[in-house]
Amino acid sequence: EVQLVESGGGLVKPGGSLRLSCAASGFTFSPHSMEWVRQAPGKGLEWVSSISGSSTYTYYTDSVKGRFTISRDNAKNSLYLQMNSLRAEDTAVYYCARETDGRYWGQGTLVTVSS
Amino acid sequence: AIQLTQSPSSLSASVGDRVTITCRASQGISSAVAWYQQKPGKAPKLLIYDASSLEGGVPSRFSGSGSGTDFTLSISSLQPEDCATYYCQQVHDYPLTFGGGTKVAIK
Repeated sequence: EVQLVESGGGLVKPGGSLRLSCAASGFTFSPHSMEWVRQAPGKGLEWVSSISGSSTYTYYTDSVKGRFTISRDNAKNSLYLQMNSLRAEDTAVYYCARETDGRYWGQGTLVTVSS
Repeated sequence: AIQLTQSPSSLSASVGDRVTITCRASQGISSAVAWYQQKPGKAPKLLIYDASSLEGGVPSRFSGSGSGTDFTLSISSLQPEDCATYYCQQVHDYPLTFGGGTKVAIK
């Protein structure tokens, strides 16, 4: 069974940092591009960042460029999102998903940026 | 960035009705569109990929069509379990983008 399990969310003050993790299982992780998608409370879906299977290519939405870094460890079947200089508008549920086909998503982890 | 405009933003229909949601792209994106269903508190679920291909396990009452800039998600006979928010997504180019969503309710 394919599973994506996010962790690392929580409450952080503006300007703070947080590192999200996504543990993948049930499929061969390394060939697949992966992504982070977020959803602010009561709002729609927003793509945040993607990474290719070999980490050669990374992409970001404009609002997080220079603040967020996506990475992966294929040996650990894990995806990460390092979030720095967090702002109130980064408050959202963050989902990891298998971007290759969009078929598999995690349950999400809530990030709240508030003083 | 490619903008996706979804309409309507919400709709209410009766059980058994045919429902149509449209998604218009700001530039041509071939058939690189996916449709997702999301229920409250849950992750999105893939319904349609490549604009018109039905994901495995998705009921056949769901269908997608379109290419270029105009895309449609249809539900041929609305069921109570179809109450959800539906999103289109373009996967033609980065940054990937989603439409604003359409909330479907039962009348």
